[in-house]
Amino acid sequence: QSALTQPASVSGSPGQSITISCTGTSSDVGGYNYVSWYQQYPGKAPKLMIYEVTNRPSGVSTRFSGSKSGNTASLTISGLQAADEADYYCSSYTSSSTYVIFGGGTKLTVL
Amino acid sequence: QVHLQESGPGLVQPSETLSLTCTVSGDSITSYYWSWIRQTPGKGLEWIGYIYYTGSTNYNPSLKSRVTMSMDTSKSQFSLILRSVTATDTALYYCARRDSHFDYWGQGFLVTVSS
Repeated sequence: QSALTQPASVSGSPGQSITISCTGTSSDVGGYNYVSWYQQYPGKAPKLMIYEVTNRPSGVSTRFSGSKSGNTASLTISGLQAADEADYYCSSYTSSSTYVIFGGGTKLTVL
Repeated sequence: QVHLQESGPGLVQPSETLSLTCTVSGDSITSYYWSWIRQTPGKGLEWIGYIYYTGSTNYNPSLKSRVTMSMDTSKSQFSLILRSVTATDTALYYCARRDSHFDYWGQGFLVTVSS
């Protein structure tokens, strides 16, 4: 099972909005509403930011939102802040025996 | 507050067995599925598998022939065994809560496979 496809890097200025895409297939992203997004700082464990496409865990800023269209899911961060600079990973349930697959990660740079 | 902590040997000889334990506090280990995930610079994040307190397991097919997960509910711990390791199994290993999305993670434990 191939990993989900994410851009290697995105960047934005403070206050702007950015969107990170996560492309899969109808067997994973497109077929189920089990897409999640994780934020990871260097040397730290990933942190769940979005689950089941659009849901935010308690404590996660409303500046983070998720959506999906067809086989592509997206994470949008509005009002970009310096603290948002991190790596972001998507993951999805898959109907293949692999069960859960991840994207390759996107490095967000706040200019 | 839910807390997960991985432990085990940080160095494993090639062809030997990797063994890690995750200790859970602040939550009942019988209430959720619990997963192992690993991370390498080359392959990124890789789901290894999950276990439920009933003993039900599900493993990544790419590792299934070498993986066994178990749980000791009395100690609030679950474990990972990976047999016949090679250098490609060198990774940061995480334990995490849940199966399809992971809401709590351990801090990660670096396992190096080397002679």
